[in-house]
Amino acid sequence: DTEVTQTPKHLVMGMTNKKSLKCEQHMGHRAMYWYKQKAKKPPELMFVYSYEKLSINESVPSRFSPECPNSSLLNLHLHALQPEDSALYLCASSQAILQGNNQPQHFGDGTRLSIL
Amino acid sequence: AQSVTQLDSQVPVFEEAPVELRCNYSSSVSVYLFWYVQYPNQGLQLLLKYLSGSTLVKGINGFEAEFNKSQTSFHLRKPSVHISDTAEYFCAVSSGANAGKSTFGDGTTLTVKP
Repeated sequence: DTEVTQTPKHLVMGMTNKKSLKCEQHMGHRAMYWYKQKAKKPPELMFVYSYEKLSINESVPSRFSPECPNSSLLNLHLHALQPEDSALYLCASSQAILQGNNQPQHFGDGTRLSIL
Repeated sequence: AQSVTQLDSQVPVFEEAPVELRCNYSSSVSVYLFWYVQYPNQGLQLLLKYLSGSTLVKGINGFEAEFNKSQTSFHLRKPSVHISDTAEYFCAVSSGANAGKSTFGDGTTLTVKP
């Protein structure tokens, strides 16, 4: 069992669809992350939220739109995705990000996304 | 800039044998080092971390790692592996200058054979 919950576990969508991925944590963490992971590859950082504000965007295409409604929730809104966007999308959380004090991240089990 | 190199992409080993998964890092500032494990169809789980203090770090499931600053290494070891240790292992580094950005190695696939 993981303390970071992601829904749905699997998602199949067409290139014209709009869908959202959801992530929830109740550990009191104030930093949340979205990663993209292709098969047999390490996770690639997409976005970081710190105290509900977007602090890092790793030049992600605008067809991915993150949202952090409150300190426990993180969404990733998807629109007009491409087949190459098929991957495992991982959410993670950690204690507050402070300069000079990096804490480990807690990961959810991911959403496996397939774009038709 | 920070980077991580995992020196072995695949490590096959027999059950109850010892194992070492190698990780080298580069960073111009003080670093924080992590090992994560990923089982099939799951997310990453923290095995152990080095933030400061003792250079020998003990983690979950009987794993340990040693931080070696002079050799810029953080190798993961286990004295006796089990079939259930078969998984993908990732070494990661972050630094105070890049708070919030962990850089992951390419991963090492550990396969434990009976």
